[in-house]
Amino acid sequence: DTAVSQTPKYLVTQMGNDKSIKCEQNLGHDTMYWYKQDSKKFLKIMFSYNNKELIINETVPNRFSPKSPDKAHLNLHINSLELGDSAVYFCASSHMDRDFQYFGAGTRLSVL
Amino acid sequence: LAKTTQPISMDSYEGQEVNITCSHNNIATNDYITWYQQFPSQGPRFIIQGYKTKVTNEVASLFIPADRKSSTLSLPRVSLSDTAVYYCLVGDTDSSYKLIFGSGTRLLVRP
Repeated sequence: DTAVSQTPKYLVTQMGNDKSIKCEQNLGHDTMYWYKQDSKKFLKIMFSYNNKELIINETVPNRFSPKSPDKAHLNLHINSLELGDSAVYFCASSHMDRDFQYFGAGTRLSVL
Repeated sequence: LAKTTQPISMDSYEGQEVNITCSHNNIATNDYITWYQQFPSQGPRFIIQGYKTKVTNEVASLFIPADRKSSTLSLPRVSLSDTAVYYCLVGDTDSSYKLIFGSGTRLLVRP
């Protein structure tokens, strides 16, 4: 079984659209994260959630909003997509905040 | 902001030992140093984690000096399958709970 799964794997959309990326972990972890990896392969944290409470909120545009219906899920909603949002987005989870993380396979978002 | 620095790339040959160093001047007192490996089109994968001195597991060793302002990932006897990008992850004292990945080191292992 996949520990951290993301859907979809690929997402191609037009500027201005609203899209969501889903993430689920079956490890029973308390903390989940979202990262953005740009074309230069820099990995930057966007959000993390611990027991349904946001504990990191980096300087990302408010068009991005994480939503956690339960401890096993952390979905990423993006409104009014822009060209600069094109990147690979990774979901991750860890047993506790700052513990080592398990990453999903990534969602490649292309905004046209 | 804390700056984490890694070499951009390294070359090695099969069977050699490879050491990759990460500089992290503003590491938080209570934070661990974690290294990840990433293959193309995959998410990063945990390799090793440590706080100070030396940690060893079945795939790597991690050396951390007393001041903890740097760390060195050591891969013994690399193989072609170790060709990947290696990232270090540490805490940031400038902002609580801010996790900073290094820029990654692209390791190429040649036959």
